[in-house]
Parts: sequence; C-alpha cells; structure tokens
Amino acid sequence: GDSVTQMEGPVTLSEEAFLTINCTYTATGYPSLFWYVQYPGEGLQLLLKATKADDKGSNKGFEATYRKETTSFHLEKGSVQVSDSAVYFCASYSSASKIIFGSGTRLSIRP
Amino acid sequence: GAVVSQHPSRVICKSGTSVKIECRSLDFQATTMFWYRQFPKKSLMLMATSNEGSKATYEQGVEKDKFLINHASLTLSTLTVTSAHPEDSSFYICSAFTRGGTDTQYFGPGTRLTVL
Repeated sequence: GDSVTQMEGPVTLSEEAFLTINCTYTATGYPSLFWYVQYPGEGLQLLLKATKADDKGSNKGFEATYRKETTSFHLEKGSVQVSDSAVYFCASYSSASKIIFGSGTRLSIRP
Repeated sequence: GAVVSQHPSRVICKSGTSVKIECRSLDFQATTMFWYRQFPKKSLMLMATSNEGSKATYEQGVEKDKFLINHASLTLSTLTVTSAHPEDSSFYICSAFTRGGTDTQYFGPGTRLTVL
C-alpha cells in the first residue's frame, strides 16, 4: 500500500541555519504531496503542497519539489527562525481520499 | 483559507463517562470529515471517515461502538467517546475536505481528552 517515510527527529539547528527534512513516498499512482506543520498544543496547518511531478510548493520561506524519479518531497528552508520550531509532517493523498502521514519530524531552533 | 473548529479544546472526565467532541467547518460545506487520534510524539492515526448523511467508515482496529461518529449536516460532525477509560486519553483531531473536491484537507485545532 501507499506509505510515507520521513527522517526521524528530533532535529536541532541554530537560528539562520539551512534546513532539510527528507521525505519519500511509495504509491501506486501519482499522489498529491503535502507538508503540514504542527505547533505545540495545536492542530495541523497546511504548509505547502504539490500536485504533480516537478511542481514546487512554497510558503513562508519553505520549499519542497515533487521528484517523481526519486519519489521524494524534501522540505527545505534557507534560514530558519526560532518561530519555525514545530513538528513537520510529510503526507500523500491516496486515491481512497485518505491522507497518509509520515511519522513527523520535531524541529527545534536555538536562538 | 478554510477554517475548521473543534469544541471543546480540552476536556477532563471520569472513567466510565461519555464525551462528545464537535467538529465544524466554519466557512465551507464539508461532505467528508475525518477523525484522527494522535498519541504523544507520534503521527496521526486515522480513526474513521465521516460522510454527511451516512454511516461512518471505521479503520481497522477502531471500535465503532466505542467511538460513535455522527455527521448530521454539511458543517458538523461529532465524535462521542463512550464509557471512556484512561487509555482513551489522547489528542483527537478532525479534518474536512472543501466541497470543491480538492485534495487538501483542513484540520481542526484538536481536542485534548484526559480520562481520570
């Protein structure tokens, strides 16, 4: 079945560092791909998405490119801030109208 | 963007009681809503898919008699945890599709349930 695998955390970086959180997927078709962010004590917020190969989703300085050849959707940001500290979930939308989530990566940014 | 609310945000109850959690789409009609459960420092586990006007579809291993789901209107779905026990303590999150049929789900802020 479909699945999403993302790098395990926690990830701790200094402010203004470069961020990469890896995510790969398996799917029978061509799913839409998402990154969601969860701040402490809150629900999930859609951060960005891409619906087809080579699409780049971007928001708030974060970017991710849908790579069909490597079945990946890695999240990147050039300069992280303390306010980016949160848990990040990679997800794919399956044909059964269900979202499949990765295990989540906790990101902590030091001032 | 689309807004989904949940009520209550936190609830503490005694073992054996039932708790109802509401999920509302505030500015759109949601024909389909989803209920998730999230354990501490874990990912979201899909519990059930709730379709307006019909019975919910439960994921394998989820007790439908314990987690009652009702989707009475296009803007409201409720999850009732019946005869709650401490192991039911968790963070419950709902989500909804916009009626336009996009692949994006919008999530509620979650409800923290603590069963004493």
